[in-house]
Amino acid sequence: GIQVEQSPPDLILQEGANSTLRCNFSDSVNNLQWFHQNPWGQLINLFYIPSGTKQNGRLSATTVATERYSLLYISSSQTTDSGVYFCAVERLAGNNRKLIWGLGTSLAVNP
Amino acid sequence: NAGVTQTPKFQVLKTGQSMTLQCAQDMNHEYMSWYRQDPGMGLRLIHYSVGAGITDQGEVPNGYNVSRSTTEDFPLRLLSAAPSQTSVYFCASSYSYTNYEQYFGPGTRLTVT
Repeated sequence: GIQVEQSPPDLILQEGANSTLRCNFSDSVNNLQWFHQNPWGQLINLFYIPSGTKQNGRLSATTVATERYSLLYISSSQTTDSGVYFCAVERLAGNNRKLIWGLGTSLAVNP
Repeated sequence: NAGVTQTPKFQVLKTGQSMTLQCAQDMNHEYMSWYRQDPGMGLRLIHYSVGAGITDQGEVPNGYNVSRSTTEDFPLRLLSAAPSQTSVYFCASSYSYTNYEQYFGPGTRLTVT
């Protein structure tokens, strides 16, 4: 089956720093989502991005479907950005769709 | 909109007990699903539903039942709880099968002793 790999697994930043998180996938996909799981466990969808670039405030994401990767950029990081960032790719499974998840990048932003 | 809601937030069960985790959404989403999240394993799909009256199994369905009698509600039943079912359970919904952007509830942390 398709493999989803995220890097780095762990990241520590000082507040104000920028970072790039990467998601590689081993086969073609219908779509891709980025999620943030905050320290309280809530999963928040950040981007739904099959290709191209999207921006939302200090966050932006780029997916290059032909090269099978997606990048999540965090600029001017804040302590509230701490948590785990997941990439999930969408595949057709028979007549239904399926999300395959990476194991996440754990981000800690220190004040 | 409240979005996706789940109850309870926390639950402790003894081995062999049964219970139902509740999930509701008020976004008129057709597609709903249940995941479990375990450390080091990411999220795994338990069951899903493409609309009222239609459910199907995901990756890890054993020990769980679901039903979907209304568009809004998608309860998950544990028939006879086992320690291996200790996990955090998330319910998610998306607008439709073709618009699959997922929205998650706050989760239920379940411990089975």
